Amino acid sequence: DAGITQSPRHKVTETGTPVTLRCHQTENHRYMYWYRQDPGHGLRLIHYSYGVKDTDKGEVSDGYSVSRSKTEDFLLTLESATSSQTSVYFCAISEQRTGGEAFFGQGTRLTVV
Amino acid sequence: DAKTTQPPSMDCAEGRAANLPCNHSTISGNEYVYWYRQIHSQGPQYIIHGLKNNETNEMASLIITEDRKSSTLILPHATLRDTAVYYCIVRVGHAGNNRKLIWGLGTSLAVNP
Repeated sequence: DAGITQSPRHKVTETGTPVTLRCHQTENHRYMYWYRQDPGHGLRLIHYSYGVKDTDKGEVSDGYSVSRSKTEDFLLTLESATSSQTSVYFCAISEQRTGGEAFFGQGTRLTVV
Repeated sequence: DAKTTQPPSMDCAEGRAANLPCNHSTISGNEYVYWYRQIHSQGPQYIIHGLKNNETNEMASLIITEDRKSSTLILPHATLRDTAVYYCIVRVGHAGNNRKLIWGLGTSLAVNP
């Protein structure tokens, strides 16, 4: 299995609080992605990174920010958590620009109450 | 952007071949077809991808029609552990670093004893 770890695996937080999810890889892959998965929707891209300090928005980026200060870590921050951000969040890594043949983490289940 | 259409669910008997169809009638000439699967509560797992020719690896075979408007993922001898949601995805985007995959709802495959 690819070396990709998400933390925490589960989190419950209150509306309005900031939350940071961490994705850590040991594969030295250039590309990293944050997705969310909700019932009735496919995986939706939040943000992605194509190198250290190089990030771009995905299709559902509002309310989220990311940072990548080193190759192995990609942080996702919910600036002020809302109930609509209750979801399962997946991090993925890839050597390819398209995100194809990507390796996924085990997911973080976030509940905003 | 090219989209895919998959049946929402399928059943297969253990030990038999599972044939999962995917329609991608608007696919462009330089777009690849990727298949992933997601076992309950886990992150998606890459299976296989192809452009024009049929592909085979240790997990599955991918058959792409000559006009590339549809494809079939074949699990030659399905086991109970193959029960999962299978996603057919077409790579979209333009040259550069902003390519990303579009995920649908996939096919929920149930392998029965």
